[in-house]
Amino acid sequence: KAGVTQTPRYLIKTRGQQVTLSCSPISGHRSVSWYQQTPGQGLQFLFEYFSETQRNKGNFPGRFSGRQFSNSRSEMNVSTLELGDSALYLCASSLTGGNTIYFGEGSWLTVV
Amino acid sequence: AQSVTQLDSHVSVSEGTPVLLRCNYSSSYSPSLFWYVQHPNKGLQLLLKYTSAATLVKGINGFEAEFKKSETSFHLTKPSAHMSDAAEYFCVVSDLGSGGKLIFGQGTELSVKP
Repeated sequence: KAGVTQTPRYLIKTRGQQVTLSCSPISGHRSVSWYQQTPGQGLQFLFEYFSETQRNKGNFPGRFSGRQFSNSRSEMNVSTLELGDSALYLCASSLTGGNTIYFGEGSWLTVV
Repeated sequence: AQSVTQLDSHVSVSEGTPVLLRCNYSSSYSPSLFWYVQHPNKGLQLLLKYTSAATLVKGINGFEAEFKKSETSFHLTKPSAHMSDAAEYFCVVSDLGSGGKLIFGQGTELSVKP
């Protein structure tokens, strides 16, 4: 079956703009989580959604937000982009969150 | 609080020689531990996971890891390195108390020389 699908794969934005990234989890998976990967900070947890509810949140400013739809697809949004938001954003899904977590290929965001 | 420490930021081996990537963890209860691999410009692929069923865990591509509670370690090994093993490897602990939150080590870059 299809894996975790993220779109777009690559994008370039200007400081101050906003961006929306999309994630389709593995069929049947109800937990979707997001991670930011940068060379300096490594992989950091952003938030996790389960059944359309944010269940857990990492230590990121309010500019980072997300949501999950009834079909478990998820989006994350970053407003008022800063240069430091340039990163690989990874989406992951699992059945309930306590199971094995599978990752997508990621969305590469460059802020100029 | 749970955490993982990968003891080497970079490991270099020759093709055909053994691989050892070291990881220590800290957890207040019996943890779920994972190793993920990331090839350049790719997402993360699960190599193996420990969930208390057996202390020696076998994964994909010939990798295995041994959970040692007394040493709080979960080192990743492979008997014979292949050029295609060159990648970044992450040791990860699952914070089961917080749903699907994973806590990552800083990663170990594995280089394989011909």
